[in-house]
Formats: sequence, C-alpha cells, structure tokens
Amino acid sequence: GAGVSQSPRYKVTKRGQDVALRCDPISGHVSLYWYRQALGQGPEFLTYFNYEAQQDKSGLPNDRFSAERPEGSISTLTIQRTEQRDSAMYRCASSLEHNQPQHFGDGTRLSIL
Amino acid sequence: AQSVTQLGSHVSVSEGALVLLRCNYSSSVPPYLFWYVQYPNQGLQLLLKYTSAATLVKGINGFEAEFKKSETSFHLTKPSAHMSDAAEYFCAVSGLGTYKYIFGTGTRLKVLA
Repeated sequence: GAGVSQSPRYKVTKRGQDVALRCDPISGHVSLYWYRQALGQGPEFLTYFNYEAQQDKSGLPNDRFSAERPEGSISTLTIQRTEQRDSAMYRCASSLEHNQPQHFGDGTRLSIL
Repeated sequence: AQSVTQLGSHVSVSEGALVLLRCNYSSSVPPYLFWYVQYPNQGLQLLLKYTSAATLVKGINGFEAEFKKSETSFHLTKPSAHMSDAAEYFCAVSGLGTYKYIFGTGTRLKVLA
C-alpha cells in the first residue's frame, strides 16, 4: 500500500483480555518498529524488526508484551492480560533500512476499561 | 544516551506571523534529527530531517530547521503561519548507525485568525 497501515484504529477492551494490534508496513520496507505514545507525551520505542528477526525488544515494558513479524512483512503486537496502564496510542513505523527515515501509520488507540 | 527537549508544550501565533518551535537535543554520537507533524486523528508525518549534510534543512509545507551543534539545537521555523499549520509537532533524535528514535514531548501549534 501507499503508507503504513494499522488496524484496528480503535480498540476498547476489558482489563484482563488479550489484544492483538496489526501493522502492515510500506511494501519493500525491511525495518519495522513499534512505539507507544501516552497522552501528552512523544512516542516511546518498544521493539524493532529487521525482516522477520526481532533485533531489539528492549522497550517492551514487561513479558505481557510480545511482537512478531513471521514473514518479514506484517507484524503483530500482542498484549496479554491487559491492564488499565496499557491504555495508549500504539504506533507502527517502517523504513527502507534501519538508517533511513521512519514512516508512521495512523496508530491504534487502545483503551482498557 | 540521547534525549530531546521541546520548550513550550503550546505555542500560539497569528496567521501570517513567524513560527518558531524549539528543540534541543543531547547525543553521545553524531545525531540525526527529525521533525514530525501530527494532524488530528492522523499519523506522524515527516516534515524534515538532518543527517549530517547541510545544516539548514528545508522540509515540506514551507518549514525549515537549522542544525546548530554549538547550541545543540534544531529549531523549526516557518516565515508565515497558515491556519492549516495548526497541529502537534514532534522533534526526534537518533544517532549515526542507530535506529531508535527518541522523541520530545511535542508542541501543539495554534494559529489565530
């Protein structure tokens, strides 16, 4: 597609449920990134993929968070046993290579009740 | 380590007036610097980037930024504000050979008629 596509745009779920957020990067982009943005803050790095390999997951806050990119294209960020503090905007970005500018999707707004 | 400080969480200017959004950074490696704009309910759009070439960088929509190493600054300017410039602006830093963007907390620009 023309840009980075994220789905769903909005997700409301009850505390304790698992959620899966999807990111479809720009075609041909090798590098994929996930960020989390709290209200009133800038995005914060969560994890980075080079093709299908997760090269850096240092920003994942705890083991309830995981991400995969099995075929080097679409990526899924999964949050298990969600908590209210997980409520945020989750942003995906992709770039041609790791040292090229990152292009962001519109994000998924996650609300945990 | 890297960090970004954006002075002023809210800035108001009159239509036609100069826009100046401030960004100061710290970086232990040669920095790459970026400005992104976020319109309501949209993703982050790259305005311009500095990657160690010319210190004065021109971006889209008439914006430009000047890299000043001595002041560790990368302020964003536009000579004449337009109503359509109303948005939130984020400054970000990464480093030579790195991929992790560190974002500032953002500056919301309001343009007054």
